[in-house]
Parts: sequence; structure tokens; C-alpha cells
Amino acid sequence: NAGVTQTPKFRVLKTGQSMTLLCAQDMNHEYMYWYRQDPGMGLRLIHYSVGEGTTAKGEVPDGYNVSRLKKQNFLLGLESAAPSQTSVYFCASSHSRRVTAKNIQYFGAGTRLSVL
Amino acid sequence: EDQVTQSPEALRLQEGESSSLNCSYTVSGLRGLFWYRQDPGKGPEFLFTLYSAGEEKEKERLKATLTKKESFLHITAPKPEDSATYLCAVQAPQSPISGGYNKLIFGAGTRLAVHP
Repeated sequence: NAGVTQTPKFRVLKTGQSMTLLCAQDMNHEYMYWYRQDPGMGLRLIHYSVGEGTTAKGEVPDGYNVSRLKKQNFLLGLESAAPSQTSVYFCASSHSRRVTAKNIQYFGAGTRLSVL
Repeated sequence: EDQVTQSPEALRLQEGESSSLNCSYTVSGLRGLFWYRQDPGKGPEFLFTLYSAGEEKEKERLKATLTKKESFLHITAPKPEDSATYLCAVQAPQSPISGGYNKLIFGAGTRLAVHP
């Protein structure tokens, strides 16, 4: 059981370049999330999705776009990368609140992104 | 404003030296408090969920407790393999228009190092 899989694991971009991070989950979860983690700060929510075809902004959405065309996949795009987007990005998923699974979020291993 | 503060930022213990990590929070209407473990280069791994003051959960050498203002993660007779960053997160109520997703507010974590 793979759980939540993120690709790629590492990436280096130049300022202005674009890229897409892929998250895939095999737990049939309704909800999916993208976070960024920076030194000395807690995980911050970028965007989230409550189901296939839906997306919504989180705490720090500027400079990012997302898409959820299939239930199992959640894509995070950087349109024009900036050094401030250097971070570790984590994807997570959880059951919907209708499921008595206590809304636990399960995380992927992360993508380490450097923008030069 | 909803907020989570973890202390200390870093903790060094000798093997067998018990201690506690603190997570203090301010949130309107706590829906749950979550503890995660994060190893270097990996994603957060779920440990416990606590829902009401007075509740306790245990797993091996770890015991989590909850009051109305804070949670403690007690580590009894730690071993080097307990070395990790421990993250605390609180679940805040969401408005109906958000789709009911379970917003988590994370603390910055406590880095624990257990030496032989």
C-alpha cells in the first residue's frame, strides 16, 4: 500500500521557470492538500480540494495553481518560480468528514524545491 | 487568531532520560489535536489524535495528554530511534462554504535528539 506518493523528490529551477508537482493517493480519500514547510515555521496550507474537480485557496496560495481532474491525483503548479518559493512541499490526503476516520491527514515524503 | 506554539524548539536527551514536549494553542472550538512525528527528509507520520480535555493516548514510549489550553507529549525512557521532529496541529471549525475540510494549524515543531 503506497499511501501518498509525490513526484519529483527534488528539483532545482531558475527564476521564472515553471513546473508541476504531482501527488497521487491510493486510499480513495476525498480531501487532498498541498502544504509548504519552511525552517522555523509550521506547515502552511497552499491549496486544498474537497473532491474531484474542486479546488480552493489555503493560507498562502499566491504564485501557485492546482488541479484535481481525477480523485486520486492533485497537481500543484508554479507558473513563474521565484526564490521565495524555495521550500519543501508536502501533499496530504484525508477522508471526508462523513467517514468516521477522525479526519487524519496522511502525508507524502515531500518535494524539495530550490529556485535560483 | 488561531495559533499553535510548541516548546522547546529543540531538546537533547540521554537515552533513558524521560521528558515532555509542550504544545499550547488558542483556537475557537477545538475539533481535535494531532501529534505527528517527522524524520529528516520524510513527511509527517501520524501518531495520535485527542479530542477533549482529560483525554490520553499511549503508544510504546509516548503518551499524549490534552487540557483546554495545551497538550503534552511525554516520552518515557527514550531511545535513540525516538529522535525526530514532533509536530502538533489543531483542527479548527470550518464554515459551511469551505466544503467542510478539516483545516489543520501546525506548530513549528520540537526537534528531539536522544543520545546513547
